[in-house]
Amino acid sequence: AQSVTQLDSHVSVSEGTPVLLRCNYSSSYSPSLFWYVQHPNKGLQLLLKYTSAATLVKGINGFEAEFKKSETSFHLTKPSAHMSDAAEYFCVVSQYGNKLVFGAGTILRVKS
Amino acid sequence: ETGVTQSPTHLIKTRGQQVTLRCSSQSGHNTVSWYQQALGQGPQFIFQYYREEENGRGNFPPRFSGLQFPNYSSELNVNALELDDSALYLCASSLGSNTGELFFGEGSRLTVL
Repeated sequence: AQSVTQLDSHVSVSEGTPVLLRCNYSSSYSPSLFWYVQHPNKGLQLLLKYTSAATLVKGINGFEAEFKKSETSFHLTKPSAHMSDAAEYFCVVSQYGNKLVFGAGTILRVKS
Repeated sequence: ETGVTQSPTHLIKTRGQQVTLRCSSQSGHNTVSWYQQALGQGPQFIFQYYREEENGRGNFPPRFSGLQFPNYSSELNVNALELDDSALYLCASSLGSNTGELFFGEGSRLTVL
């Protein structure tokens, strides 16, 4: 069965510094992986999607993620954090179709 | 283009009651999925409807049931409510049943007392 593990429940960065949110996956075959973001009182929004076309995936709002098969990782990064990036981020693997398996989430705090 | 809308936004029920949650999918989307998000956890897949048929179900008991209507809107029904059913219920729509690219509503928060 597919699963994801988000290695940090909370991450705190200063505005303007890099963001790194870590995710490891487990899958018996080549997975489809996603990052979703949930702002307070807002619906979940797709940040980016990996489907084996390219290992480095660029998403919205300057985020990107790199698929590393040897490390079974799919970490999310952003060169420079903005206050508006404060939210909860979910690493997600597709089990089949639209059946998505979500990680437990990482809450990103951005300090001014 | 309207997004995914859910109603009601908040509701309180007592144990043993029944609840119906409603979802209007984004314009043009033919697939609706429902997720349960307990406090402090990631969402869990309940089931998916594609062209009015259930075509995928997570590890939820039969008292969780749903419908999809010809206009692709959907309902989630939960019978015999239990305290552990207290959660945020998320509806998501997509164009197709196999993309993983879901558009979520803001959810219906259910409290069971």
